[in-house]
Amino acid sequence: EVQLVESGGGLVQPGRSLRLSCTASGFTFGDYAMSWVRQAPGKGLEWVGFIRSKAYGGTTEYAASVKGRFTISRDDSKSIAYLQMNSLKTEDTAVYYCTRGGIVGATNDYWGQGTLVTVSS
Amino acid sequence: EIVLTQSPDFQSVTPKEKVTITCRASQSIGSSLHWYQQKPDQSPKLLIKYASQSFSGVPSRFSGSGSGTDFTLTINSLEAEDAATYYCHQSSSLPSFGQGTKLEIK
Repeated sequence: EVQLVESGGGLVQPGRSLRLSCTASGFTFGDYAMSWVRQAPGKGLEWVGFIRSKAYGGTTEYAASVKGRFTISRDDSKSIAYLQMNSLKTEDTAVYYCTRGGIVGATNDYWGQGTLVTVSS
Repeated sequence: EIVLTQSPDFQSVTPKEKVTITCRASQSIGSSLHWYQQKPDQSPKLLIKYASQSFSGVPSRFSGSGSGTDFTLTINSLEAEDAATYYCHQSSSLPSFGQGTKLEIK
């Protein structure tokens, strides 16, 4: 059974940093791209970024709203994807979901339960 | 950036009714259109991939159609458990989502 479990969310002040983790199980993690999607309170879904599998260079793409501030990485030996968030803004407040896939040409076929990030002073 | 526009934003329907939700893309995306269901306080779940392919375990009352710029999600014989918000998503280029359609069961 595919499982994705996010962790690392919490309350953080504007301008500070936070790192989210997504621990995967039930599939060969290194064979898949991984994505992050967020949802502000009461709002719709917003794509944040993705990281391709090593077979496709392990490269990343980001939404314009987070480019230069957020970084996605992966540790295939541990089956974990990370979202490093720097220079956080109040508008980054959201539930952050980890998904399997989600790159250009692919769907987000499995989602984690999400972790809430609140940016507030 | 490809913009996806869903209609309607909200719909109130009765059980056993047939429901149609549309998603229009700002430019042609072929069949790279997917549909998700999100129930309150849950994460989204994939229903339909590549416009018309049902995802594993999804009830047969859910179906999708379309290509290019116009797509449709159809729910035949609506059930109470289908109360949720439905999102379309394109993967033809950098990903984007529609704004969502909230379905209320009367």
